[in-house]
Amino acid sequence: DSGVTQTPKHLITATGQRVTLRCSPRSGDLSVYWYQQSLDQGLQFLIQYYNGEERAKGNILERFSAQQFPDLHSELNLSSLELGDSALYFCASSPAGTRTGELFFGEGSRLTVL
Amino acid sequence: QQQVKQSPQSLIVQKGGISIINCAYENTAFDYFPWYQQFPGKGPALLIAIRPDVSEKKEGRFTISFNKSAKQFSLHIMDSQPGDSATYFCAASKGNDMRFGAGTRLTVKP
Repeated sequence: DSGVTQTPKHLITATGQRVTLRCSPRSGDLSVYWYQQSLDQGLQFLIQYYNGEERAKGNILERFSAQQFPDLHSELNLSSLELGDSALYFCASSPAGTRTGELFFGEGSRLTVL
Repeated sequence: QQQVKQSPQSLIVQKGGISIINCAYENTAFDYFPWYQQFPGKGPALLIAIRPDVSEKKEGRFTISFNKSAKQFSLHIMDSQPGDSATYFCAASKGNDMRFGAGTRLTVKP
């Protein structure tokens, strides 16, 4: 158990809809990272928050947004969903503001867009 | 924007054999090279990591070999076991820039 909690574990929705994925980082970790893993694809970095502020941005679509709240949990919002958005979305946390160090991953939220 | 190339994509090894996964990177500024292990239905977990000031790091049956001049590093799994069957990701990072390889699906046959 990494200590990172993600909800929901599974989500099925239709094209055009909007969903919110939630992540609770390990106790004390200030950084939260979001990654997308599509079928047979590697881990694509979406965005990082550090202590409530956006720290780094990766290949995140404009339809996607995220935020980190004062209690350090984070939410990833996916809107105007397309079939291609079907993927595993992972949240990871770390105590530091950089990724030079261990990232602790949650078990992911599997999104299926029909 | 892939800056870490990982091979092979999949690997089948007999129990007791050696599994070797290779990665190559482009950005010479990278200074941290972790390997993550992911079992089905789980998130990736750090397996072993190396910094470029050493050429090899060993932890149990897992060894990272690092070749700075060639910009390559590899994971060796000695005495591979069926329980090692998983997807392995290499990564390279510098500060807030971390790039993952595409992953290698390892199957160890009993």
